[in-house]
Amino acid sequence: GAGVSQSPRYKVAKRGQDVALRCDPISGHVSLFWYQQALGQGPEFLTYFQNEAQLDKSGLPSDRFFAERPEGSVSTLKIQRTQQEDSAVYLCASSSQGAATEAFFGQGTRLTVV
Amino acid sequence: AQSVTQLDSHVSVSEGTPVLLRCNYSSSYSPSLFWYVQHPNKGLQLLLKYTSAATLVKGINGFEAEFKKSETSFHLTKPSAHMSDAAEYFCVVSLFSGGYNKLIFGAGTRLAVHP
Repeated sequence: GAGVSQSPRYKVAKRGQDVALRCDPISGHVSLFWYQQALGQGPEFLTYFQNEAQLDKSGLPSDRFFAERPEGSVSTLKIQRTQQEDSAVYLCASSSQGAATEAFFGQGTRLTVV
Repeated sequence: AQSVTQLDSHVSVSEGTPVLLRCNYSSSYSPSLFWYVQHPNKGLQLLLKYTSAATLVKGINGFEAEFKKSETSFHLTKPSAHMSDAAEYFCVVSLFSGGYNKLIFGAGTRLAVHP
């Protein structure tokens, strides 16, 4: 596609439910990033993939968060046993090489945990 | 460690007047700096970037930013605000770690433009 696509755009989950958020990066982009943006704040780094390898997961807030990119293209961010503090917009970005070149962002998935 | 501080959480200007969004950075080496804009219900869009070439960087939609090493600043300016400029603006520094670059965002500045 022409840009980074994320689905669903909106997700309401009951506390304790598992959720899966999908990211389709720009075709051919090696690098893929996940960010979490809480209301009124800037995006916070979660994790980074280079092709299928997860090179950095230092930003994942707990072991309930898990990300994968098995074929080096589509990525899924999974959150187990969601909590209210997980409510945020989850942004995916891709770039052709690292992030010194332009990173292209998707529109995000707004997760609300009730 | 690399970080950015956006000095104003909200800025309000009249249409047709200049815009100034302030950003200071902290970096142990010559940084790559960016400004991104986020319109409601839209993805983050790159306005401009500085990567150690010219210190005055021109971006899209008439925005520009000047890298000032002595002041560790990278303020975003526009001579004349338009109603469509109302959005959230993020100053961003690129952190090189573990063999790749990742983006570190400031807290954002919400720009309001009124008639």
